[in-house]
Amino acid sequence: KAGVTQTPRYLIKTRGQQVTLSCSPISGHRSVSWYQQTPGQGLQFLFEYFSETQRNKGNFPGRFSGRQFSNSRSEMNVSTLELGDSALYLCASSPYFGTDTQYFGPGTRLTVL
Amino acid sequence: DAKTTQPPSMDCAEGRAANLPCNHSTISGNEYVYWYRQIHSQGPQYIIHGLKNNETNEMASLIITEDRKSSTLILPHATLRDTAVYYCIVRPFTSGTYKYIFGTGTRLKVLA
Repeated sequence: KAGVTQTPRYLIKTRGQQVTLSCSPISGHRSVSWYQQTPGQGLQFLFEYFSETQRNKGNFPGRFSGRQFSNSRSEMNVSTLELGDSALYLCASSPYFGTDTQYFGPGTRLTVL
Repeated sequence: DAKTTQPPSMDCAEGRAANLPCNHSTISGNEYVYWYRQIHSQGPQYIIHGLKNNETNEMASLIITEDRKSSTLILPHATLRDTAVYYCIVRPFTSGTYKYIFGTGTRLKVLA
C-alpha cells in the first residue's frame, strides 16, 4: 500500500505570495493532520480534518488554512507569506479520527525569500 | 496532554542495543505512549506504541514501568540507519484528536 504523498516536495516563494500544499493520504485513510516543523519551534500541530470537516486547529494565524476533499485528499494554504513561514510542512493520515496511529508523509520543504 | 522528557542526545555503538528513555510522570490512565523517529528532514516514522504492557514489533521493544511514569524504547541491534531523532509522545486512546504534542526528542547517533 502506498504511503502518504505530499506535493510538491520543495517550494521556493517570496514574501507576500501565497502557497498551496497538497497531501494524499494512505488509501482508505479518512483523517489528515498537518504539522509545521522549524528548527526553532520543532514540530507543531496546524490542523486536522476528518470527513471534510476541520476537527481541531493549532495556534497559528488565520493566514494558515486548509481543506479536505471527499476523496480524503487535503490541501493547506498559506497566504501573505512571511520569512518565518519557511519550514518543513508535514501531513499525516490515519484510518479514522482520533483513535489510531497516524502515518506521516515525507513533507514539503517551503523556503520563503 | 501529558508532557514527556527525553535526553537531548545519546550515542550507541553499531550492533549494540540502544535504550532510549522517556519520562511521562503526569500520564493519565487512558493515555498511550507512542514512539516515532525522524531521520534527517524526512517525515516522522511510526515505531511502536503501548498502554501498560510491554510491546515488541519488528522494529523495537517498548518497556513501560509498572507505574507508567516512564518508558524505554529498545532497538535491539542498532545500525547506522537508526541514527535519527526519536520522539516519545503520550496521547489519550479516545482523544478525538490527532493533536500530537512533540517534544524535542532524543538525537540518537549510532557509531560505527
